[in-house]
Amino acid sequence: DAGITQSPRHKVTETGTPVTLRCHQTENHRYMYWYRQDPGHGLRLIHYSYGVKDTDKGEVSDGYSVSRSKTEDFLLTLESATSSQTSVYFCAISADARGPYNEQFFGPGTRLTVL
Amino acid sequence: GQQLNQSPQSMFIQEGEDVSMNCTSSSIFNTWLWYKQDPGEGPVLLIALYKAGELTSNGRLTAQFGITRKDSFLNISASIPSDVGIYFCAGQLQSLGRGGSNYKLTFGKGTLLTVNP
Repeated sequence: DAGITQSPRHKVTETGTPVTLRCHQTENHRYMYWYRQDPGHGLRLIHYSYGVKDTDKGEVSDGYSVSRSKTEDFLLTLESATSSQTSVYFCAISADARGPYNEQFFGPGTRLTVL
Repeated sequence: GQQLNQSPQSMFIQEGEDVSMNCTSSSIFNTWLWYKQDPGEGPVLLIALYKAGELTSNGRLTAQFGITRKDSFLNISASIPSDVGIYFCAGQLQSLGRGGSNYKLTFGKGTLLTVNP
């Protein structure tokens, strides 16, 4: 299994509070991704990183920010959580952007509930 | 955005039966990936395909990259109870972003497989 951990694994928070999710990898992969998974929508890309301090938006980036100060860590922040951000969040990593090393490997997920 | 149509949405089969599922797209993809997700866990990569027409096996699983580059198929032979889960296809359409060539996956919505012992 790829060395990817996510913390926390579960979190319950209140509307309007800031929340930070952490993804940590031990594979030294260049690319890291944050997805959310919701019933009926499948996996949707929030933000991704193509190197330290290099990030870009995905298809559902509104309300989220990210930071990557080290190769191994990719943080996802909800500045002011809303109920619509209740979801399961997955981090993924890949060694490269083009085949054959572009396979993405996923972490175990963080279940976030915003009340 | 890109759309991937994955079918069937769900399957209920008897242990020992073979299973087929597929994904189709209106766009041409450079890579097809197949994942399996168990409840409460992240998706696990099963098979990766990189060339049109490519046929790749992983144990009882076989996947093919369609010759048109717009579809892919996953077959599971002689199903067993631990095959239960959600199977996702994902396609890569290489695009240019701020980081130069970057890699974005488009996911199908999954096929829920139930195996009756």
